[in-house]
Amino acid sequence: AQKVTQAQTEISVVEKEDVTLDCVYETRDTTYYLFWYKQPPSGELVFLIRRNSFDEQNEISGRYSWNFQKSTSSFNFTITASQVVDSAVYFCALFSSNTGKLIFGQGTTLQVKP
Amino acid sequence: DTAVSQTPKYLVTQMGNDKSIKCEQNLGHDTMYWYKQDSKKFLKIMFSYNNKELIINETVPNRFSPKSPDKAHLNLHINSLELGDSAVYFCASSQRDKHTGELFFGEGSRLTVL
Repeated sequence: AQKVTQAQTEISVVEKEDVTLDCVYETRDTTYYLFWYKQPPSGELVFLIRRNSFDEQNEISGRYSWNFQKSTSSFNFTITASQVVDSAVYFCALFSSNTGKLIFGQGTTLQVKP
Repeated sequence: DTAVSQTPKYLVTQMGNDKSIKCEQNLGHDTMYWYKQDSKKFLKIMFSYNNKELIINETVPNRFSPKSPDKAHLNLHINSLELGDSAVYFCASSQRDKHTGELFFGEGSRLTVL
C-alpha cells in the first residue's frame, strides 16, 4: 500500500523565520516519484518539485530546499526566510509507476505572519 | 492558452439535481484524471482515463460517471447530488508513457450542494 503522511496539520511562523514541512511516505515500489505542491488561497495547485527514487541529492531553489532521505522514507521541504506570500497549503505526493496513481498527503497549512 | 481548463469554475445547486463538470487539455497528453478535494483539503483520486479507456476507478459511488469522448476531454457527470458531494474537483492530465507522475492540474471546480 502507498501512503503519504504529513504529520503537521498547521504551522504558524513569523516572517523571516525558517520553516520545515515534514513528509513521510510508504511504498513497496523500487521506482517512484515524490512531489511537493503548493495551494495558495486562490485554490490552484502549483507544482514545486519532483524527485525520483534514485536521486537522493538535495535540491535548493531560491528560498526553497528539499531533503530526500530514502533511509527514513522522508522528503522534507524547508522554506528559508519565510514571507507572507508563502502562506498556503503544501502537499507532499507520491507517484507509483506500478499503479499510475499520484497519492497526496493530508497537507500542511502554513501561515506566515508579518 | 490554459493547458488544462475546467468549466464551470463554480457551481451551486440543490440536492437531488444532476450536474456536469467539463475538462479539456491542450497538452497532447493521453491520460486524464479527476481528483476530489474535500472540506478538510484532502485530495483524493477518483478516476483516470488513458486514451478514452477507464484505468483507475477508486470506489466512487456510481452516481459519478466520467466520460471521455476523446483523449483531450474528460467530463464528470454527477447524478442525484448529495450534500457530501460538495467539494472542489480537479481535473489533471499527464503523458502516461513517461511514468513520472507529472500531472498538470486545472484550476478546480468548486461544487456546492445546498
